[in-house]
Amino acid sequence: SYELTQPPSVSVSPGQTARITCSADALPKQYAYWYRQKPGQAPVVVMKKDSERPSGIPERFSGSSSGTTVTLTISGVQAEDEADYYCQSADSSGTYWVFGGGTKLTVL
Amino acid sequence: EVQLVESGGGLVKPGGSLRLSCVASGFIFNSYGINWVRQAPGKGLEWVSSISVSGRYIYYADSVKGRFTISRDDAKNSVYLEMNSLRAEDTAVYYCAREYDSSGTSYWGQGTLVTVSS
Repeated sequence: SYELTQPPSVSVSPGQTARITCSADALPKQYAYWYRQKPGQAPVVVMKKDSERPSGIPERFSGSSSGTTVTLTISGVQAEDEADYYCQSADSSGTYWVFGGGTKLTVL
Repeated sequence: EVQLVESGGGLVKPGGSLRLSCVASGFIFNSYGINWVRQAPGKGLEWVSSISVSGRYIYYADSVKGRFTISRDDAKNSVYLEMNSLRAEDTAVYYCAREYDSSGTSYWGQGTLVTVSS
């Protein structure tokens, strides 16, 4: 089955830059989306269509794509950014959604 | 304001059945497909099923194929997930989510908890 690969965890100190990657063969063909999820809450999109920031998401969040890898970058990380982050895309034909395993961002 | 509200979760014994509902408002419901996504306790997000506009195309994850049935009633702005032969591993929060529009925007509900336990 089609899978998106994320690192299980990323740790950074406040003010530093966090980069979370997501890799899969079909990513050049399908857009990627990034969701942030805090405990007990529903996921919230923080990046859409690889690199577009939804309204209400701080400018410190950015997204990029290169080949089979997409990257969510959080510049000047703040304590409130600590959460689980999931990338989401679709299979090459766009038939079904697929999620990465999630990355726990820890702000030291 | 766009809203999706799930209901129907609860405690059910292994082998039992449950029907989840997702009621949508704030957008033209019959113009969008709907997905169900679940999250087991302490685990990641897992896509479960999707239904296209008018119900023409329906897809299921392998883990639920043959046991779950998705359907929609556009007159009621609702999507349903009929879950049969439930297993302990189906225990999760179930979210319904609208498909993305051309701007890349989707909407999710707050989820409903399904617990399969004897």
